[in-house]
Amino acid sequence: SQTIHQWPATLVQPVGSPLSLECTVEGTSNPNLYWYRQAAGRGLQLLFYSVGIGQISSEVPQNLSASRPQDRQFILSSKKLLLSDSGFYLCAWSKTGNQPQHFGDGTRLSIL
Amino acid sequence: QKEVEQDPGPLSVPEGAIVSLNCTYSNSAFQYFMWYRQYSRKGPELLMYTYSSGNKEDGRFTAQVDKSSKYISLFIRDSQPSDSATYLCAARRPQKLVFGQGTRLTINP
Repeated sequence: SQTIHQWPATLVQPVGSPLSLECTVEGTSNPNLYWYRQAAGRGLQLLFYSVGIGQISSEVPQNLSASRPQDRQFILSSKKLLLSDSGFYLCAWSKTGNQPQHFGDGTRLSIL
Repeated sequence: QKEVEQDPGPLSVPEGAIVSLNCTYSNSAFQYFMWYRQYSRKGPELLMYTYSSGNKEDGRFTAQVDKSSKYISLFIRDSQPSDSATYLCAARRPQKLVFGQGTRLTINP
């Protein structure tokens, strides 16, 4: 069966510091991969999605970037964090663009 | 106007009650509909996935889609305290999955 792993579960970072969140999927090949941010009471906002290695689409221009160096690895990065980057970051995968998405357990990011 | 609207609640009901959770959507291009359950500090978990109008049942859960009125519902029968969570509806159109805000549900023993 397929599993998705995200780490770390919790992260506290100072303003201006860099960020790297990692997501890996096991048990499937060539998945679609997604990064979401979930703010309290505001639902899920799609940040990036990828249909293959090195292919990244950005939904919202902002302080973050994503990369897919391997088939089942998806990384969310920032060079300099802002206070507004605080939130709950979720990685998800799907077999194709039309199949349901399955989520990891997220990273709670706090910026001080 | 948001593409998918969901009452954020909170909703509190006694154990054993029937729960009705609802969403509306505005875009006729939405073809697939999902319900996710999210426990505190966890990622959303897929509960139900439907395509056509009508009902789909899975144990105590029934998903209902009415494409003519752009209305989707999730019913929970014999609700249990373990059903306490946030429930998110989602609708898919080509190239995009759109989520509602989520409804926070508490089942009181």
